[in-house]
Amino acid sequence: QPVLTQPTSLSASPGASARFTCTLRSGINVGTYRIHWYQQKPGSLPRYLLRYKSDSDNHQGSGVPSRFSGSNDAASNAGLLLISGLQSEDEADYYCAIWYSSTWVFGGGTKLTVL
Amino acid sequence: EVQLVESGGGLVQPGGSLRLSCAASGFIFNNYEMNWVRQAPGKGLEWISYISSDGNSKSYADSVKGRFTISRDNAENSLYLQMSSLRAEDTAIYYCMRDVTETTGFYWGQGTLVTVSS
Repeated sequence: QPVLTQPTSLSASPGASARFTCTLRSGINVGTYRIHWYQQKPGSLPRYLLRYKSDSDNHQGSGVPSRFSGSNDAASNAGLLLISGLQSEDEADYYCAIWYSSTWVFGGGTKLTVL
Repeated sequence: EVQLVESGGGLVQPGGSLRLSCAASGFIFNNYEMNWVRQAPGKGLEWISYISSDGNSKSYADSVKGRFTISRDNAENSLYLQMSSLRAEDTAIYYCMRDVTETTGFYWGQGTLVTVSS
């Protein structure tokens, strides 16, 4: 079972909200790790969005709009990236990452389609 | 401004070797941990190696352990990745990446393409 699991795709309408999940493998507690989120558009480098561990341990990337936010769902052991007020420019791949056991681990990425 | 410029990519035959370099500027290189990450065409991000700021601590993904070696020269502000026993599945864009800090995420170079093919 991978350390981080992300759904391969997500679709939402302009103006709506999108909820991305990054599920940690059983035995790896989501509340223990800073989860980093990146956005990658075709042909571009990944862009740092934010990191989230708790309400008191989180960081928003420089220039990242407040409609991008992070959270955790302890019940499903998942980190969450929430985007409100979706815009067409948000269409991209979204990756989560954690520092785990002296290595970086990326999730497989979720492709967001805004239609 | 943080700049990371990779070089050394190219076409190599299966079983061959290649050495990637990353020239860093715009920050105090020896203060930062560094990584290599790759992305195969149309695929996701795969972290492959980490090195501490002083070079004394290193780690590797299982997919490259024993074949790839990360190193750095803090006097030259450079990061390296020595790749050997290359396989077709190593074909990817390889990115040099400055590690996160309390107030930043990863910084990425533009990448260098490695193609392993006969």
